[in-house]
Amino acid sequence: EADIYQTPRYLVIGTGKKITLECSQTMGHDKMYWYQQDPGMELHLIHYSYGVNSTEKGDLSSESTVSRIRTEHFPLTLESARPSHTSQYLCASSELWTGEGYGYTFGSGTRLTVV
Amino acid sequence: AQSVAQPEDQVNVAEGNPLTVKCTYSVSGNPYLFWYVQYPNRGLQFLLKYITGDNLVKGSYGFEAEFNKSQTSFHLKKPSALVSDSALYFCAVRWTDKLIFGTGTRLQVFP
Repeated sequence: EADIYQTPRYLVIGTGKKITLECSQTMGHDKMYWYQQDPGMELHLIHYSYGVNSTEKGDLSSESTVSRIRTEHFPLTLESARPSHTSQYLCASSELWTGEGYGYTFGSGTRLTVV
Repeated sequence: AQSVAQPEDQVNVAEGNPLTVKCTYSVSGNPYLFWYVQYPNRGLQFLLKYITGDNLVKGSYGFEAEFNKSQTSFHLKKPSALVSDSALYFCAVRWTDKLIFGTGTRLQVFP
């Protein structure tokens, strides 16, 4: 199975709370990504990183922040959760684009509900 | 702009029948194309990819995809559908260091 882990799998939290979604990979991949997935299925890139101390915003504006202090760890933080943040969050990583490999390896996701 | 289109939100097929999930792309240069599958409450899993070479690519679980450069398409196919194939399917194209995903197609296989 995948060597990328997300915790927690499910989270229900009250409005205004601060939360951190964890993502770790054991493959030594430099590139990591966070996607927000609509209930209607569509994937939106919200953050990505090309390596340690590298973070970039994705295509969808997000109130979350990320950090990349270690290669294997790419946590996502919401300072003040709102009901509009209710979604599934998927973490992914990839190796260098040598033409081999599987593109992205995905974690199992965190389903967040803000009440 | 680079993009991927999956024109069908849902595809319904009877078990044992062939299935096709459509994907077209728009990207400059030679495309790197991927198909992923997502089962309920899971992340996406790699199915197959096209980088170069034979236009017919074989992947996991009996799936295959045909790359058609003139039609800019990369349709996913399977000769005989199983109920267990029911899931979400995403087509993607590589652009710079990221994958651009389609909006997804829900495949429902009926017994």
